Amino acid sequence: NAGVMQNPRHLVRRRGQEARLRCSPMKGHSHVYWYRQLPEEGLKFMVYLQKENIIDESGMPKERFSAEFPKEGPSILRIQQVVRGDSAAYFCASSPQGQGEDQPQHFGDGTRLSIL
Amino acid sequence: AQTVTQSQPEMSVQEAETVTLSCTYDTSESDYYLFWYKQPPSRQMILVIRQEAYKQQNATENRFSVNFQKAAKSFSLKISDSQLGDAAMYFCAYLPRERTDKLIFGTGTRLQVFP
Repeated sequence: NAGVMQNPRHLVRRRGQEARLRCSPMKGHSHVYWYRQLPEEGLKFMVYLQKENIIDESGMPKERFSAEFPKEGPSILRIQQVVRGDSAAYFCASSPQGQGEDQPQHFGDGTRLSIL
Repeated sequence: AQTVTQSQPEMSVQEAETVTLSCTYDTSESDYYLFWYKQPPSRQMILVIRQEAYKQQNATENRFSVNFQKAAKSFSLKISDSQLGDAAMYFCAYLPRERTDKLIFGTGTRLQVFP
């Protein structure tokens, strides 16, 4: 049973380019969460999505960042016009249900984004 | 707002010895989950142990155990018989029971294990 799959593992972009990070949740999971980890810091929540719906985007920067989880295909975190401060590790997690969960969110291995 | 505090940026332990990592949290809720995650240099997030707030018994997983003090809002991790492979960043995390939308993480403790 494959876990949460994130790709690419490493992504290098120049300032001003767009970055697209992909996340395929575990089989049977319909809830996806994105977290950002800046160097030497803990993970910070960005956004929580269910299929075709954004449930909570309180951790997303207001500009340049967007996320989607379409009916078919992976969840995408998109960063437009990247800046050096966007360099971080971006983690995706998934869970099978949103209420009364007995098991924690399952994490992918992360995408390390480097901005030149 | 809920917060998680890890006051030890770095800890070290000798192989085979025991070490305790501290975590405190702040919440007004009465039911929630607490977790310890391990992040080795590979950057994977590996769940070490979890505790449900309504359970009084401290969780244990092999060499890992917690000391959960609900009134004090404290959730420390004890690693017994430390091994070189235990060296990693350790993150304490909080999750409300009623809505599992976001984990709230502490800033982490870097554990070094010396032979």
